[in-house]
Amino acid sequence: GAVVSQHPSWVICKSGTSVKIECRSLDFQATTMFWYRQFPKQSLMLMATSNEGSKATYEQGVEKDKFLINHASLTLSTLTVTSAHPEDSSFYICSARVGGQTYEQYFGPGTRLTVT
Amino acid sequence: QQQVKQSPQSLIVQKGGISIINCAYENTAFDYFPWYQQFPGKGPALLIAIRPDVSEKKEGRFTISFNKSAKQFSLHIMDSQPGDSATYFCAASLPGGFKTIFGAGTRLFVKA
Repeated sequence: GAVVSQHPSWVICKSGTSVKIECRSLDFQATTMFWYRQFPKQSLMLMATSNEGSKATYEQGVEKDKFLINHASLTLSTLTVTSAHPEDSSFYICSARVGGQTYEQYFGPGTRLTVT
Repeated sequence: QQQVKQSPQSLIVQKGGISIINCAYENTAFDYFPWYQQFPGKGPALLIAIRPDVSEKKEGRFTISFNKSAKQFSLHIMDSQPGDSATYFCAASLPGGFKTIFGAGTRLFVKA
């Protein structure tokens, strides 16, 4: 149980285009989903937290107009990188949480974004 | 204040040995301390987690030791195997679980 999927697993796009990454909780309902960014051989940096049906909360320094997050249902959150640039190239990972007293986050397999 | 310091950066252990990774924190508001295992190109997977009212938790070959007064916690991997070779992250969550801070990670290599 507690499986989270991400799609696509990797994507290459040209500079200036937008890319959408989907995160789905397959066998549970996620009241909260998180989006992280990870550079090679570095730790996970939280970008934003989203709760179903409400606006995402972005971490300091993360451009909300550039990284659009939508948590449309209890099983789906999307991250859209708008007007992508080479410096946006990274490994993007989502996680999902059941909520309540349960703190456990279940991570997706990640999406490798390369902007050329 | 919200940092979680993890050491060592990398670790080489012989097969069958004990791998020990340490973490320290400053913010006493943290109330949940998970450990994650990550293989290259994959997302992290939850290994084991502990609450601050418990000093030790064991699951199979993995044990968390927690020292509340010292604000330190550690992961012990007993009988380390080559398949354990991965990056391990400690983390700490604030009340409510809406914010989790990750340590820098430890790259473990278990020699056969």
